[in-house]
Amino acid sequence: DAKTTQPNSMESNEEEPVHLPCNHSTISGTDYIHWYRQLPSQGPEYVIHGLTSNVNNRMASLAIAEDRKSSTLILHRATLRDAAVYYCILRDGGAGSYQLTFGKGTKLSVIP
Amino acid sequence: EAGVAQSPRYKIIEKRQSVAFWCNPISGHATLYWYQQILGQGPKLLIQFQNNGVVDDSQLPKDRFSAERLKGVDSTLKIQPAKLEDSAVYLCASTDGRAGYNEQFFGPGTRLTVL
Repeated sequence: DAKTTQPNSMESNEEEPVHLPCNHSTISGTDYIHWYRQLPSQGPEYVIHGLTSNVNNRMASLAIAEDRKSSTLILHRATLRDAAVYYCILRDGGAGSYQLTFGKGTKLSVIP
Repeated sequence: EAGVAQSPRYKIIEKRQSVAFWCNPISGHATLYWYQQILGQGPKLLIQFQNNGVVDDSQLPKDRFSAERLKGVDSTLKIQPAKLEDSAVYLCASTDGRAGYNEQFFGPGTRLTVL
């Protein structure tokens, strides 16, 4: 699986936007970009995914660079409940197995 | 819709003992995954089932770990004998496996401590 690079940790003030970066310089044409997050003492939960175009859903937005070598997860207004570890994952859409390979992720702290 | 259920939530055992974890996926989900998450790391896939068949068990330490999903619904993961390095959270996830991408739904995990 292609690898991703994320900062170990980030901080944000409550009610401000958060931009979580992810580098994936070796991404291939069939790799989808997925984001999951893991709240304390819980299993991971799906946030968003995309291939080439920017994506929006009720939880977040995903901005994908034109060359696809990086992406940014955007939380428009951080709340205390958004404090979690955020994982950026590449999944090979051509493999058909839907497996996810997690890295260490970015630990987001939200300051009241 | 009920989520992925796992039990027990916590387990403490001595090394060389055996332990079993149970997972009940979301109703109708054909694909089931077991992950191991060591403290400070992301989850690592151990085994993937499609219905009651194994799709991938390449990262399962088969000398001590085993898993089954007999009727294509719930699943058990067993460790026998346990080692200190098996201390981790064991996560179960499921997806409905239809064509196209479907998100994985995770259970709360079982935290195993091996003394």
